[in-house]
Amino acid sequence: EDQVTQSPEALRLQEGESSSLNCSYTVSGLRGLFWYRQDPGKGPEFLFTLYSAGEEKEKERLKATLTKKESFLHITAPKPEDSATYLCAVQEAGGFKTIFGAGTRLFVKA
Amino acid sequence: EAQVTQNPRYLITVTGKKLTVTCSQNMNHEYMSWYRQDPGLGLRQIYYSMNVEVTDKGDVPEGYKVSRKEKRNFPLILESPSPNQTSLYFCASSLSIREGEETQYFGPGTRLLVL
Repeated sequence: EDQVTQSPEALRLQEGESSSLNCSYTVSGLRGLFWYRQDPGKGPEFLFTLYSAGEEKEKERLKATLTKKESFLHITAPKPEDSATYLCAVQEAGGFKTIFGAGTRLFVKA
Repeated sequence: EAQVTQNPRYLITVTGKKLTVTCSQNMNHEYMSWYRQDPGLGLRQIYYSMNVEVTDKGDVPEGYKVSRKEKRNFPLILESPSPNQTSLYFCASSLSIREGEETQYFGPGTRLLVL
């Protein structure tokens, strides 16, 4: 069964304390892996798309990487405004469904 | 402004009373989708549509119907709502399902309570 698992469920950081979020997936073939950010009461907002193992993308303090079984979202020197829920999703090769993980709630304290 | 809109944003109804949640996008996107979001379960896909008159089931389609008669609109229909359909619903759209065009843009959400 296709599955996306994110860890940890919640992460509390001090401002400036770098860390990583994990997204592991099991699909028979990967069309694409997506990272989204979701603020309370709002719809998810797109961050990155990764297509193949070894690919990396960066945006401000965020960097997403991809291996054959998992993706990491690295947060460097986070600020309180980075507090949000980060969602990972995959689309399987040959299909058009999107499967989301349950998300990681990130809290950054000043 | 490019956007996905949903209506209503909040809805309280009773078991068995048919309802429709509308979704509209102004970006000429081919792909549209409905999700429900529940605590601890994340976003689960209900239905998706790759283009006009082309729809398919996601992971949790039971109790829901959709139609795609026009490119811009993708309404979600609950023929006989039940309390287990109480949830936060999101509509999303993407340019297509081709590589580089599959980024999904989400609406603001519809919070539904079924009594």
